[in-house]
Amino acid sequence: DGGITQSPKYLFRKEGQNVTLSCEQNLNHDAMYWYRQDPGQGLRLIYYSQIVNDFQKGDIAEGYSVSREKKESFPLTVTSAQKNPTAFYLCASSKIAGGPGEQFFGPGTRLTVL
Amino acid sequence: DAKTTQPPSMDCAEGRAANLPCNHSTISGNEYVYWYRQIHSQGPQYIIHGLKNNETNEMASLIITEDRKSSTLILPHATLRDTAVYYCIAWRIQGAQKLVFGQGTRLTINP
Repeated sequence: DGGITQSPKYLFRKEGQNVTLSCEQNLNHDAMYWYRQDPGQGLRLIYYSQIVNDFQKGDIAEGYSVSREKKESFPLTVTSAQKNPTAFYLCASSKIAGGPGEQFFGPGTRLTVL
Repeated sequence: DAKTTQPPSMDCAEGRAANLPCNHSTISGNEYVYWYRQIHSQGPQYIIHGLKNNETNEMASLIITEDRKSSTLILPHATLRDTAVYYCIAWRIQGAQKLVFGQGTRLTINP
């Protein structure tokens, strides 16, 4: 089945540690996105990538980094510079960069920083 | 992209039609209306989108007013599994590469 996988589902880290969240898609989509969701809130865009080896900052990129070395993979690193990293992180992809906003989402990773 | 306004919560009886309103009074001519839903602790799911004509698919119908200032998502026969937060989003092709998810409407389907 085609889709987006995120791992792990739950992640715990100590304060001050960097952590990398995985996102893989086998939909052959060009564009990929990372969103953050806090309790009771909507989604906020962290980073997005429209093509391999290129990515742009979203609305809340500070304290995060990404890479897009392969079309199917878009890992997100939450660095120690992120002041409040505990949140639900969602990865998404869409077929055509710049096209209609039909995005397919993964199941999410819930990160808790202790 | 235009701002959208939705009621924070709604209830609907199982088996009845659920009608979710969305106001987008500042929408421009090249902005689409998208609907997504998010079941608790899952990623959002695309439902439907439209520009100015009414649209229907296997999940729902989208009714857009003639002046495009508001729209209604209709789930024709709501089931308990339709309980979710529903997001109405205005998105402009060639615009910013992001979907702006507001607070949405928390729809509860009651047995």
